[in-house]
Amino acid sequence: EAGVTQSPTHLIKTRGQQATLRCSPISGHTSVYWYQQALGLGLQFLLWYDEGEERNRGNFPPRFSGRQFPNYSSELNVNALELEDSALYLCASSGRQGAHEQYFGPGTRLTVT
Amino acid sequence: GDSVTQMEGPVTLSEEAFLTINCTYTATGYPSLFWYVQYPGEGLQLLLKATKADDKGSNKGFEATYRKETTSFHLEKGSVQVSDSAVYFCALRFSGNTPLVFGKGTRLSVIA
Repeated sequence: EAGVTQSPTHLIKTRGQQATLRCSPISGHTSVYWYQQALGLGLQFLLWYDEGEERNRGNFPPRFSGRQFPNYSSELNVNALELEDSALYLCASSGRQGAHEQYFGPGTRLTVT
Repeated sequence: GDSVTQMEGPVTLSEEAFLTINCTYTATGYPSLFWYVQYPGEGLQLLLKATKADDKGSNKGFEATYRKETTSFHLEKGSVQVSDSAVYFCALRFSGNTPLVFGKGTRLSVIA
């Protein structure tokens, strides 16, 4: 069974540009979570999608947004990139209501110059 | 709000040494508790979990027991190997597919 996949592996953008990151969950999983792992800041929750709807978001500005498609894959968009957005962005998926485990993808390394 | 506190790293041990990484949490209610491991250049892997008080999670020689009275979930391994070198994250989560709340991570280096 394929795990969570993310693309691209690396992304280099300049300040002010937009970045789009993609995630495909494990087959059968309906929930997708996005986390930011910035140097020295640990893992911060960004967004949670389930059944196509945004269920919760962390303490991030509105320029961080995303969506979930009918096949449960997800996209994270970061507008007006700032230098401090440079981080590893991790996607995780989990099964239906009541499932406890989240399974993580390998991440997308975003570098803003 | 809910939070997880882990011991500060880095932790450096010799091969075959005993490992303890402390983790305590603050939460309203009774969350599930997890340890995740991140090897260099990779994403997070679930190492073990416990869903209720006194549960013991175990995997690959690692163990952790959910202690409600001390709100702790310390990670232990009796004999570490060089291949255990990684960053370890303690996390909590409530039911209903809510997001994970992570500690800041503890970097472990095991030297031969």
